[in-house]
Amino acid sequence: EPEVTQTPSHQVTQMGQEVILRCVPISNHLYFYWYRQILGQKVEFLVSFYNNEISEKSEIFDDQFSVERPDGSNFTLKIRSTKLEDSAMYFCASGRDRETYEQYFGPGTRLTVT
Amino acid sequence: QKEVEQNSGPLSVPEGAIASLNCTYSDRGSQSFFWYRQYSGKSPELIMFIYSNGDKEDGRFTAQLNKASQYVSLLIRDSQPSDSATYLCAVNMGDSNYQLIWGAGTKLIIKP
Repeated sequence: EPEVTQTPSHQVTQMGQEVILRCVPISNHLYFYWYRQILGQKVEFLVSFYNNEISEKSEIFDDQFSVERPDGSNFTLKIRSTKLEDSAMYFCASGRDRETYEQYFGPGTRLTVT
Repeated sequence: QKEVEQNSGPLSVPEGAIASLNCTYSDRGSQSFFWYRQYSGKSPELIMFIYSNGDKEDGRFTAQLNKASQYVSLLIRDSQPSDSATYLCAVNMGDSNYQLIWGAGTKLIIKP
C-alpha cells in the first residue's frame, strides 16, 4: 500500500539555523499539505500546495516558512531562522483530489530547536 | 474563531463493548468530516470520513453526522485493546477548499 514518507525522522538544530524537512507524497496524489503538532496540542494546518503553488496557508505560515516541490516526487518545508517555539512534530500529508478532502499523513519529523 | 470540540477523556471502555466518541464543530459551512486515530508518538491515521447526514459504516466503525446539530460521532463496535489511542476529529472549513480544523482529540482506553 502506498505511503507518504518523510525524512529525517528527527532533526535537532540550533536556534537561528535553517532546516529543510522532506516528504515524498503518494505518487498519484495531487494535493500536498504540511501540518505541525506541538507536543500535547492540536494538529495545526500550515499550508496546502497544488499545481506547483501554494493554494492556502494559515496565519502560522509566515515569511519564516516556505515550501517547494523541487522535482516530481519530493515536497519540502523550509524553516528559516528557527526559534525554540518551532519545536514540534511536522507532518506531511497528501490527497488524491479536492472534492473529498481525504488526506493521508506521513510518519512525521520531530524538530527540536535548542 | 472556527472550532472543533472534543472531550479530552480518557474514555475507558471494556473490551468487546461499544466505544462512542463525539465531536462538535462551529462552522455551519463545513462539508467534510474526518476521524483520525493517533497512537502516541505517531502520525494521524485516517479511519473514517463522512459527508452526508446519517450513518456510514466501515467494518467495526460507524460515523454519524448531524449537520443541523453540528455534531459528528464515531462508534467502535467490539472494542479491542489495539483500539486504545487518541481519536481526532477534523472538519474542513466551509470557506476553504483545503484547510482542516482539528479537535484536540479524545483519548480512548480499552480495558481487557
